[in-house]
Amino acid sequence: RKEVEQDPGPFNVPEGATVAFNCTYSNSASQSFFWYRQDCRKEPKLLMSVYSSGNEDGRFTAQLNRASQYISLLIRDSKLSDSATYLCVVNGGGADGLTFGKGTHLIIQP
Amino acid sequence: NAGVTQTPKFRVLKTGQSMTLLCAQDMNHEYMYWYRQDPGMGLRLIHYSVGEGTTAKGEVPDGYNVSRLKKQNFLLGLESAAPSQTSVYFCASSYSRQANGYTFGSGTRLTVV
Repeated sequence: RKEVEQDPGPFNVPEGATVAFNCTYSNSASQSFFWYRQDCRKEPKLLMSVYSSGNEDGRFTAQLNRASQYISLLIRDSKLSDSATYLCVVNGGGADGLTFGKGTHLIIQP
Repeated sequence: NAGVTQTPKFRVLKTGQSMTLLCAQDMNHEYMYWYRQDPGMGLRLIHYSVGEGTTAKGEVPDGYNVSRLKKQNFLLGLESAAPSQTSVYFCASSYSRQANGYTFGSGTRLTVV
């Protein structure tokens, strides 16, 4: 069974701090990787894709370590609006599509 | 551009009743998916479709049926609702299995009493 494991949190972080999340995945044949953001009672939305070389989008940096089957997300200068659940998502390449982690809950405190 | 639209947004059913959830996308996507999300369980795949006229079982298909008669619509049916089917249901679509992420609908909150 394909699995994606995340620390559920919650992570309570002061505004302006840097916070990092990790996840691990079990399917070594996984082909693409993503971080989604989900606000309370809303649908998940794509935050960013994750590439082997690492990639950055503003205050967000994602890293992939294929050898260790490990994905990370770093948020710098955190804002109150960053409070959400962050889902680690893996595409194994099969027709059944994406496998979602259970999410890490982040609370940014003023 | 509506994206993925789910109807209804909320519903309360009595045990044993039936209903159909509708998912409609206007992006000409081939792939469509139905998920359920429960506290502490994350998103779990119920059924999916790789194109018009095709359906396949996901991780938790029992108690549900689906149909994809038109490319833009993916219907999820509950023939005899049970309290265990109380959940938030999300539909998603993508243009290929390697798509850079999915587009989700806003969800249907279903309560079975």
